[in-house]
Amino acid sequence: AQKVTQAQTEISVVEKEDVTLDCVYETRDTTYYLFWYKQPPSGELVFLIRRNSFDEQNEISGRYSWNFQKSTSSFNFTITASQVVDSAVYFCALSGIQGAQKLVFGQGTRLTINP
Amino acid sequence: DSGVTQTPKHLITATGQRVTLRCSPRSGDLSVYWYQQSLDQGLQFLIQYYNGEERAKGNILERFSAQQFPDLHSELNLSSLELGDSALYFCASSVAFTSPTGELFFGEGSRLTVL
Repeated sequence: AQKVTQAQTEISVVEKEDVTLDCVYETRDTTYYLFWYKQPPSGELVFLIRRNSFDEQNEISGRYSWNFQKSTSSFNFTITASQVVDSAVYFCALSGIQGAQKLVFGQGTRLTINP
Repeated sequence: DSGVTQTPKHLITATGQRVTLRCSPRSGDLSVYWYQQSLDQGLQFLIQYYNGEERAKGNILERFSAQQFPDLHSELNLSSLELGDSALYFCASSVAFTSPTGELFFGEGSRLTVL
């Protein structure tokens, strides 16, 4: 069975601090996909990134970066120089070889950036 | 704006009742997914339709059913409602049966409250 664990339920930091959101996954598939989604107060889910199991390169997009480590089954997300607009619930998700079908989500981490 | 439209945004009803949630996918998207977000269960995949046909089923109760119409909009029918059905129901769409980029475009959700 597939499982995603986001152990941090809530994180609160002051603006401009760096913050890392942890994600640990379990799967028996050799090919799988990992995702991060953002859920702002407006409620919709916004796609941030997708990684497949064969691509362990870290990725940076502006202030966002992702660290994928197969050895520890982790796919952590770091926000550098956080801003108030980063406040949201962030979900890590996993799917099998059929791509986005049947995304298995973690419980989410509520991130609050205080001015 | 993801391009996925869900109606109604909010719905309050009583136990035992039946409701229908509607989703219009992004223009050109053939796949529609339904997810349920509740406090105790988190975000769970319910069902997927592709071009009018059911393609994948998740943790969808027998009291729930869905369909996708020829114009590609989808409806999720929830019957014999229970208090525990109170949740945010998301619709998402993608172009293909399996999304090559893993990017699902989510609507803003329909918040159902069962009293």
